[in-house]
Amino acid sequence: SAVISQKPSRDICQRGTSLTIQCQVDSQVTMMFWYRQQPGQSLTLIATANQGSEATYESGFVIDKFPISRPNLTFSTLTVSNMSPEDSSIYLCSVAGTGDLGYTFGSGTRLTVV
Amino acid sequence: GENVEQHPSTLSVQEGDSAVIKCTYSDSASNYFPWYKQELGKRPQLIIDIRSNVGEKKDQRIAVTLNKTAKHFSLHITETQPEDSAVYFCAASMEQAGTALIFGKGTTLSVSS
Repeated sequence: SAVISQKPSRDICQRGTSLTIQCQVDSQVTMMFWYRQQPGQSLTLIATANQGSEATYESGFVIDKFPISRPNLTFSTLTVSNMSPEDSSIYLCSVAGTGDLGYTFGSGTRLTVV
Repeated sequence: GENVEQHPSTLSVQEGDSAVIKCTYSDSASNYFPWYKQELGKRPQLIIDIRSNVGEKKDQRIAVTLNKTAKHFSLHITETQPEDSAVYFCAASMEQAGTALIFGKGTTLSVSS
């Protein structure tokens, strides 16, 4: 299955600033997924990132707040913009494997906004 | 879109007992149903999965059953041990279409010795 390198692993940011999270996959994948996991909660899908087209956002998430780039088939970034303490969460990227390989997750980015 | 409901939200059992967690899904096109275990501060780890072409799958003390007609699937853990204590998430997707996993809200399992 694919191996994902996600960084940073954690960060503490001031409110009003932005943070960009990167995910690098060791193989080419068509779609990458970005999730948010708020404290004590489940994983919520933010958006699906396709190479060569705009990301598709889930209800409650907008591009101005969570811009996503997908410049090639192995890399994607998620930016959390104009942060507030409510954005404090773990953010994870994920890819779908080929065949019966299931899904792989990055190690997550633990974001604290102060 | 897909919606996954998971019950119970918390489950406490004695060591050696069995634990059952149930999930229902809404989209009949979903065909892939994994279960993840998440320990504090760590990423979710896949523990077992099932695809819609089978009704049951076992891996040592863990089993998953799927009822496509009723659109529900369950995780069964037998002979529970304290190290089974964690948060468990079910999920569903249309794997062959490459769609994202949609997760249930999670079950916190506590196994006391």
